[in-house]
Amino acid sequence: QVQLVQSGAEVKKPGASVKVSCKVSGYTLTELSMHWVRQAPGKGLEWMGGFDPEDGETIYAQKFQGRVTMTEDTSTDTAYMELSSLRSEDTAVYYCASRRPYCTNGVCYQWADWFDPWGQGTLVTVSS
Amino acid sequence: DIQLTQSPSFLSASVGDRVTITCRASQGISSYLAWYQQKPGKAPKLLIYAASTLQSGVPSRFSGSGSGTEFTLTISSLQPEDFATYYCQQLNSYQWTFGQGTKVEIK
Repeated sequence: QVQLVQSGAEVKKPGASVKVSCKVSGYTLTELSMHWVRQAPGKGLEWMGGFDPEDGETIYAQKFQGRVTMTEDTSTDTAYMELSSLRSEDTAVYYCASRRPYCTNGVCYQWADWFDPWGQGTLVTVSS
Repeated sequence: DIQLTQSPSFLSASVGDRVTITCRASQGISSYLAWYQQKPGKAPKLLIYAASTLQSGVPSRFSGSGSGTEFTLTISSLQPEDFATYYCQQLNSYQWTFGQGTKVEIK
């Protein structure tokens, strides 16, 4: 059973950076493709980026290019998302969410085209 | 980027009702569509993947259909625990996008 456990809530001032962690259990991080999705208060889900296992590189949504860095520590099976130059609009719940291998109808595939499971979410509040 | 548009954005229904939510893609995505359920204060939960495959453990009253640009999520008989917000999601050219969500509330 894969489980993703995220770090606790953060309060940051505008212009600061925040680093959120996501600890994997039940699998190793190398067996997963980890992504990050955020949700502003009362709003929908927004994909920020994630690891592309086919190309072996991290892909970021254009909106966050230059401001977000996603890293992994395979020795501790922990993924990290760091967002810099924070502004009030970055106040949101940040989720890690994973792609993993799956089998259906007797056929197994290396990577799902959906996210399951998700972490519990980390609230980041940006306020002066 | 491919855009996903859900309709309606909000619906009010009663326990036992049949509910249908539509997700339209701005261009064809074959069957690369998933549906999630989200309750307040909780992470999204996968319901359906590959447009019509029910995730293990999800009640059979949930079903998905469609391919190309038009997809539907149907709840055959709405239960009290189904009142939540539902999102569709697609992957194309390694750009993942979500629909804006459909909130299902009690009438």
